[in-house]
Amino acid sequence: QQQVKQSPQSLIVQKGGISIINCAYENTAFDYFPWYQQFPGKGPALLIAIRPDVSEKKEGRFTISFNKSAKQFSLHIMDSQPGDSATYFCAASSLVSGGTSYGKLTFGQGTILTVHP
Amino acid sequence: SAVISQKPSRDICQRGTSLTIQCQVDSQVTMMFWYRQQPGQSLTLIATANQGSEATYESGFVIDKFPISRPNLTFSTLTVSNMSPEDSSIYLCSVEKPWDPQGGIQYFGAGTRLSVL
Repeated sequence: QQQVKQSPQSLIVQKGGISIINCAYENTAFDYFPWYQQFPGKGPALLIAIRPDVSEKKEGRFTISFNKSAKQFSLHIMDSQPGDSATYFCAASSLVSGGTSYGKLTFGQGTILTVHP
Repeated sequence: SAVISQKPSRDICQRGTSLTIQCQVDSQVTMMFWYRQQPGQSLTLIATANQGSEATYESGFVIDKFPISRPNLTFSTLTVSNMSPEDSSIYLCSVEKPWDPQGGIQYFGAGTRLSVL
């Protein structure tokens, strides 16, 4: 019940195209859903995150869509660029410590995105 | 944000030896986490390290194999003991900054790349 399932495993997109990565979860206690971007040799870096009280969040070219009833969320990268080529991880967690921390993250399996020029 | 320094950045070790990984944060944080990322794989939480208390280990990870210290609010160490080639992974330290303007955010170090021969 703690799993987060991510797809696709890899994705190839042309420059300017839209990249879409999907995640699904089972644990209804999850209430924080971040996306992380990881470049080779680096640690993951937070890209964008959403809480279940909203269905969509947009930051620049990056949008999270959230469907609470389906227990799914997705990352859309508009106008994909070669510099977006990286591994993307969705994750989920739930409030702990009396509501002051999100605690541990449960990660999806990762998607290797390649954007061709 | 948080600046996290991990040492060493990489190491090659012999079977049966132990390696201690250091994690230094530029500000005081309550919660620190240690993750393992096997080559080409997702991140798996090893343990949560809170200052002043024993680390909490996830299923499949034990204190004898991965002892953790958390002497203060800016520093933690993870030791990988009695290493075998199966321990070859990237070990990542992360910290959570609760109640940032964007909410609880987890920041990651660049990781320690461990190869065991």
